[in-house]
Amino acid sequence: DGGITQSPKYLFRKEGQNVTLSCEQNLNHDAMYWYRQDPGQGLRLIYYSQIVNDFQKGDIAEGYSVSREKKESFPLTVTSAQKNPTAFYLCASSIDSVYGYTFGSGTRLTVV
Amino acid sequence: DQQVKQNSPSLSVQEGRISILNCDYTNSMFDYFLWYKKYPAEGPTFLISISSIKDKNEDGRFTVFLNKSAKHLSLHIVPSQPGDSAVYFCAASSGTYKYIFGTGTRLKVLA
Repeated sequence: DGGITQSPKYLFRKEGQNVTLSCEQNLNHDAMYWYRQDPGQGLRLIYYSQIVNDFQKGDIAEGYSVSREKKESFPLTVTSAQKNPTAFYLCASSIDSVYGYTFGSGTRLTVV
Repeated sequence: DQQVKQNSPSLSVQEGRISILNCDYTNSMFDYFLWYKKYPAEGPTFLISISSIKDKNEDGRFTVFLNKSAKHLSLHIVPSQPGDSAVYFCAASSGTYKYIFGTGTRLKVLA
């Protein structure tokens, strides 16, 4: 079954620590994305990648970093520079803009 | 600046009646629009799309209407069912891979 997998589902991090969220897809999609969801703010784009070894900043990239070494994988690192990291993080992929996105099930990150 | 707006944060509808969810946008370059449905602690799932060359697209109980002159789209769900209770997001793109999402409307269908 093709899909997009995010892990872990819940993640706790101490302030000042970096943490990496995993996103893997076996849909053979070229493009991958990271969004953040906060209450009342919808989905905000953090980073996106249209092809391997290339990625662009979204609207709220500060304090985050990504890599795209493989087509299937697009990990997101939440660094200690991100001031409000507690949120629900969604990874998505798409074959092109016409068909929209397939989303993963999300990772809830809590900073303690 | 919010380019895609869903001004109603929540909506309650009786089972069997019509649900109408609204979405407004400001960027006239947007030419493709999507609706997603999201349950708590899950990723959004694609519902229905519409391109700017159409003014209506229908899929079963779901119909999306696009009014380009008003920069407005709406999602109609008829008849509404309790399983439709979720948060609905509209999203818009200007022909690139990148979609801009609205803030979502929480629909509650009352049995």
